[in-house]
Amino acid sequence: SQQGEEDPQALSIQEGENATMNCSYKTSINNLQWYRQNSGRGLVHLILIRSNEREKHSGRLRVTLDTSKKSSSLLITASRAADTASYFCATGTSGYSTLTFGKGTMLLVSP
Amino acid sequence: NAGVTQTPKFRVLKTGQSMTLLCAQDMNHEYMYWYRQDPGMGLRLIHYSVGEGTTAKGEVPDGYNVSRLKKQNFLLGLESAAPSQTSVYFCASSNLPQGSGELFFGEGSRLTVL
Repeated sequence: SQQGEEDPQALSIQEGENATMNCSYKTSINNLQWYRQNSGRGLVHLILIRSNEREKHSGRLRVTLDTSKKSSSLLITASRAADTASYFCATGTSGYSTLTFGKGTMLLVSP
Repeated sequence: NAGVTQTPKFRVLKTGQSMTLLCAQDMNHEYMYWYRQDPGMGLRLIHYSVGEGTTAKGEVPDGYNVSRLKKQNFLLGLESAAPSQTSVYFCASSNLPQGSGELFFGEGSRLTVL
């Protein structure tokens, strides 16, 4: 069953603009992760934010987490054509089999 | 540094045929996972392993079997392939339970069942 739901499903922007993707989830989590998938490739981990954190940065990435609203956002600043990919959120809870992926946001960055 | 390697990358089967997908990781990770990715469905967990000699069912295990005889390898088998198993299969590994830490993915194996 899908826990995380990304919004929007697709996003098209110009190089240099910022891209914001959102993820909503339904049950309590202990962490939320974002992954990137380039076309025809495997998923690559971008960032993990724990339930007791509100914001995290990694290079041009900024992730926020609002546990009261059960939502997270991924901001990519100064987007580049190379950022074109699908982005997935994954929610983690305790236990072994509880990392659940959303359906993803397809980001297209045009030169 | 290879990371997670999947073989084969592409395969076409006829309905009823069997095959095995191999996943190998060189990071000494305890935990390994098999997912399938279908258009509009995200990733769904098929089976996973928390260590050598162990396996467990995930969200969509029917029609698949797995084995983890060596720590570095995790095999996914289809005994009698069906068109519904046409998908892209991803193996992943981690050094923490998947609810706790990041996963390292292979490049995927694209399977078509005719």
